[in-house]
Amino acid sequence: DIQLTQSPSSLSASVGDRVTITCRASQTIRTYLNWYQQKPGRAPKLLIYAASSLQSGVPSRFSGSGSGTDFTLTINSLQPEDFATYYCQQSYGTPTFGQGTKVEIK
Amino acid sequence: QVQLQQSGPGLVKPSQTLSLTCAISGDSVSSNSAAWNWIRQSPSRGLEWLGRTYYRSEWNYDYAVSVESRITISPDTSRNQFSLHLNSVTPEDTAVYYCARVLAAAGLDYWGQGTPVTVSS
Repeated sequence: DIQLTQSPSSLSASVGDRVTITCRASQTIRTYLNWYQQKPGRAPKLLIYAASSLQSGVPSRFSGSGSGTDFTLTINSLQPEDFATYYCQQSYGTPTFGQGTKVEIK
Repeated sequence: QVQLQQSGPGLVKPSQTLSLTCAISGDSVSSNSAAWNWIRQSPSRGLEWLGRTYYRSEWNYDYAVSVESRITISPDTSRNQFSLHLNSVTPEDTAVYYCARVLAAAGLDYWGQGTPVTVSS
């Protein structure tokens, strides 16, 4: 299976900050990388698909980049509703997920 | 608007079979561009993809290696739903189980509400 490693595992940030989360794949996955947001007690929500395409209805402050093995999720001007856990997921091979990055209030 | 509604028991005894159903509205289980997935989440294993079914002139099934000897995913076209059956469960199968759709390989865009399942006697 393709392993995905996210960093950091957690971070503290303030409203208005720019936040960057990285995801590294154990082998090339081209751009078959998706990002999700999950809040406690809720199912994950798709934010970005194919590394950089914004899912319909997702605010434009979310963006994704990368290809091959290294990917980034950026949240510009963090909002109160953005405090959550974020996961990357690859769909190049058998789907796998990263371990998650918890974004907490500073 | 696509909606996925999960149903099934929240408690299963060890060695028995865990069975969950995901009813689809707003799309078809026989869609030629969608795939229908089961994923679970636990503190120890994180998010774990279990398997999927999809129709492309015939039914296809893919399963995670970790559960492939114990899992069956079954589409039901008459009820527009799909089911998960995981046999010989142990306490390690305790998790929240989700169904979800992938459309045209663009990410898991619609999810069920999640079903917490505990494996315990």
